Amino acid sequence: KAGVTQTPRYLIKTRGQQVTLSCSPISGHRSVSWYQQTPGQGLQFLFEYFSETQRNKGNFPGRFSGRQFSNSRSEMNVSTLELGDSALYLCASSFSYEQYFGPGTRLTVT
Amino acid sequence: AQSVTQPDIHITVSEGASLELRCNYSYGATPYLFWYVQSPGQGLQLLLKYFSGDTLVQGIKGFEAEFKRSQSSFNLRKPSVHWSDAAEYFCAVGEPSGTGRRALTFGSGTRLQVQP
Repeated sequence: KAGVTQTPRYLIKTRGQQVTLSCSPISGHRSVSWYQQTPGQGLQFLFEYFSETQRNKGNFPGRFSGRQFSNSRSEMNVSTLELGDSALYLCASSFSYEQYFGPGTRLTVT
Repeated sequence: AQSVTQPDIHITVSEGASLELRCNYSYGATPYLFWYVQSPGQGLQLLLKYFSGDTLVQGIKGFEAEFKRSQSSFNLRKPSVHWSDAAEYFCAVGEPSGTGRRALTFGSGTRLQVQP
């Protein structure tokens, strides 16, 4: 089975812009979660989607949003980018309780 | 709120030596427990998991971990480290079944360096 794929792998954006990241889960996995990884804050949970519904949300501002499509693919959007949004954004999919991570999207905000 | 502590930020071991990475968690009940490994520039790879049952769990790449309820610990071990094990290791806890939530809470990670 193919693993979790994330596109793009690298992004450079300017403050104030918005960005959309994409995640394709492992085939058959209906749950997709997003995490932000930074040197200062470590790995933090953003949100989880299951069957096109947001099931759980972390403690992030409303500038961070997501959605899931009927084929379980998910996107996350960050509006009005700030320098502090520079991070590795990881997507994880799950069928049961263990989560399998993609390679991440490295976002740099200048 | 649940929390995970990995007290060792950085560990250096010699190739062939044994390894133990520490993890302590704080949670009201027995959570689901995981160890992940991350190589530079890569995503997280699941090494092993504990849900219930036998407290000693085996994972990939020769790793094992032992759940100790009395100590709220889930330490990762490997009898003989290989140079390719150099990476960052994360302990994580997830909420047990019934909540329907998949959010993982991660420790801050332990960076493993392997000396030849």
